[in-house]
Amino acid sequence: QLQLQESGPGLVKPSETLSLTCTVSGGSISSSIYYWGWIRQPPGKGLEWIGSISYSGSTYYNPSLKSRVTISVDTSKNHFSLELSSVTAADTAVYYCARQHGNYQNWFDPWGQGTLVTVSS
Amino acid sequence: SYDLTQPPSVSVSPGQTASITCSGDKLGNKYASWYQQKPGQSPVLVIYQDNKRPSGIPERFSGSNSGNTATLTISGTQAMDEADYYCQAWYSSTVFGGGTKLTVL
Repeated sequence: QLQLQESGPGLVKPSETLSLTCTVSGGSISSSIYYWGWIRQPPGKGLEWIGSISYSGSTYYNPSLKSRVTISVDTSKNHFSLELSSVTAADTAVYYCARQHGNYQNWFDPWGQGTLVTVSS
Repeated sequence: SYDLTQPPSVSVSPGQTASITCSGDKLGNKYASWYQQKPGQSPVLVIYQDNKRPSGIPERFSGSNSGNTATLTISGTQAMDEADYYCQAWYSSTVFGGGTKLTVL
């Protein structure tokens, strides 16, 4: 059964870069039939897609975040990563990683458990 | 940017049918997905490609999509279905609806 696990610092200072990794277990990230995505959820609010990546490194980003986001993949470690630069308090959220079926336009299943990242000095 | 609009809340009595709508420009021309999220948990896919149920999702969950509105229907709603529900579609970017809190009372 495929599982995803987010990891990274839970506290980031304003103006710095948020870095998270999603480790995939129970399956290979190197499949052409899936994309791998990041989604976030501010406390008490709804879901926001950040971006998605294929195993070969093709990326698609939310236009509202594109200037600050980099998503990368490391097939040798079976994980993919998120970097979000110049963070502010508005970037405080639970960050989820998820597998995306077919292509970057499709549904997410399964999701990781999520990790709370707080932006504060 | 495009928006998907959901009612903030829907209430239903146990055993009755709950319908949650998701509205967007020409949404019927796109595929809609639905997610269930219980407090403190990650979202779970309950409907994809408008009306398909993933393995393990009860038959009481169904979906439809036409015109500008996608609908998630829960037949014979149970207390365990109380949760937030989000729709999702692609509009040159993945877009999520604002979420609907389903209360079973």
